[in-house]
Amino acid sequence: KAGVTQTPRYLIKTRGQQVTLSCSPISGHRSVSWYQQTPGQGLQFLFEYFSETQRNKGNFPGRFSGRQFSNSRSEMNVSTLELGDSALYLCASSPGTSGFQETQYFGPGTRLLVL
Amino acid sequence: AQSVTQLDSQVPVFEEAPVELRCNYSSSVSVYLFWYVQYPNQGLQLLLKYLSGSTLVKGINGFEAEFNKSQTSFHLRKPSVHISDTAEYFCAVSDRNYKLSFGAGTTVTVRA
Repeated sequence: KAGVTQTPRYLIKTRGQQVTLSCSPISGHRSVSWYQQTPGQGLQFLFEYFSETQRNKGNFPGRFSGRQFSNSRSEMNVSTLELGDSALYLCASSPGTSGFQETQYFGPGTRLLVL
Repeated sequence: AQSVTQLDSQVPVFEEAPVELRCNYSSSVSVYLFWYVQYPNQGLQLLLKYLSGSTLVKGINGFEAEFNKSQTSFHLRKPSVHISDTAEYFCAVSDRNYKLSFGAGTTVTVRA
């Protein structure tokens, strides 16, 4: 089975711009979660989607949004970029039906640099 | 709320020596605990997980971890490390909302 894929792998943007990141989960997985990783804050949960609905959300401002398509692919959008949004954004997928026993499988991440 | 604390931010170790990475958790409900590894410029890879049953969990690449409910710990061990084990290691706990809460990470540097 192919793993979780994320595109693009690297992005450079300037403050005030917006960005869209994409994640394709493992085939058959319906839950997609997004995490932000920074040296200062570590790994933080952004949100989780299941069957095209946002099921859970972390403590991030409304500039961070996402969506999920019928094929379970997910996109994350950040509007009005700030310097502090520079981070590695990780996507993870799981079947989404067995609760917190499930293993989340991570993609390689998208590294975003905001100048 | 569930959380984990990784007690060591950096662990230098010589090749073929044993290593232990310490993780304590706090939770008011049943816990499901995970250890992930992150190699440079890569995503996270699952090493092992504890869901229930035997408190000694064996994972990939020769790693194992012991769940200790009385000490609320889930320490990761490997009896003999290789240069290729140089990476960052994360302990995590999951909640019923499909959310993983991670520790701050432990950087393991293996020296020849």
